[in-house]
Amino acid sequence: AQSVAQPEDQVNVAEGNPLTVKCTYSVSGNPYLFWYVQYPNRGLQFLLKYITGDNLVKGSYGFEAEFNKSQTSFHLKKPSALVSDSALYFCAVRVTYNFNKFYFGSGTKLNVKP
Amino acid sequence: GAVVSQHPSRVICKSGTSVKIECRSLDFQATTMFWYRQFPKKSLMLMATSNEGSKATYEQGVEKDKFLINHASLTLSTLTVTSAHPEDSSFYICSARVPLAGAYEQYFGPGTRLTVT
Repeated sequence: AQSVAQPEDQVNVAEGNPLTVKCTYSVSGNPYLFWYVQYPNRGLQFLLKYITGDNLVKGSYGFEAEFNKSQTSFHLKKPSALVSDSALYFCAVRVTYNFNKFYFGSGTKLNVKP
Repeated sequence: GAVVSQHPSRVICKSGTSVKIECRSLDFQATTMFWYRQFPKKSLMLMATSNEGSKATYEQGVEKDKFLINHASLTLSTLTVTSAHPEDSSFYICSARVPLAGAYEQYFGPGTRLTVT
């Protein structure tokens, strides 16, 4: 079965510090992995994806993620956090069969303190 | 590009009534759309896959007679919550994928907050 785990309900960082939001996955075949961000009462915004190629993927707003096949992880990172990065972050895996459905992790709330 | 809209953004209805939520792809045609439900501080639960011109595919545990999905055109899918109950109160989000080679990500609508009183 396909699944995504985000082990941290909440991550707190100070503005200007690096941030990491963790994600691990379990999927049959090659993983298609994604990060989305959600602001209060809003839909999800696409940040970045890993399909193939370089393990380090760069996305929107200065975020990047590192695909690690041996650890089945896809952690989201940013070198210097901003207060405006405070939001709910979701990791997702795309199932390549059956209409290409997405399955989401439980979400991690990122709090960036000034 | 790749904008998905939802209407209404918020709706309050009385218990026992039905409410329809629309999901539109504004600048692309979507043969497949997805409906999710999100509880407070929880992840998105995939409810069903909406296919243009055919019946929706529901996830296990989702009542197809309660959550009616119609994908009548390549740009519109609707979710109707029938005989709504307070426990149906939730945030409903739709998404679609741009049908282009190499376009893997889904684009999400802004969501609809349903409150059943």
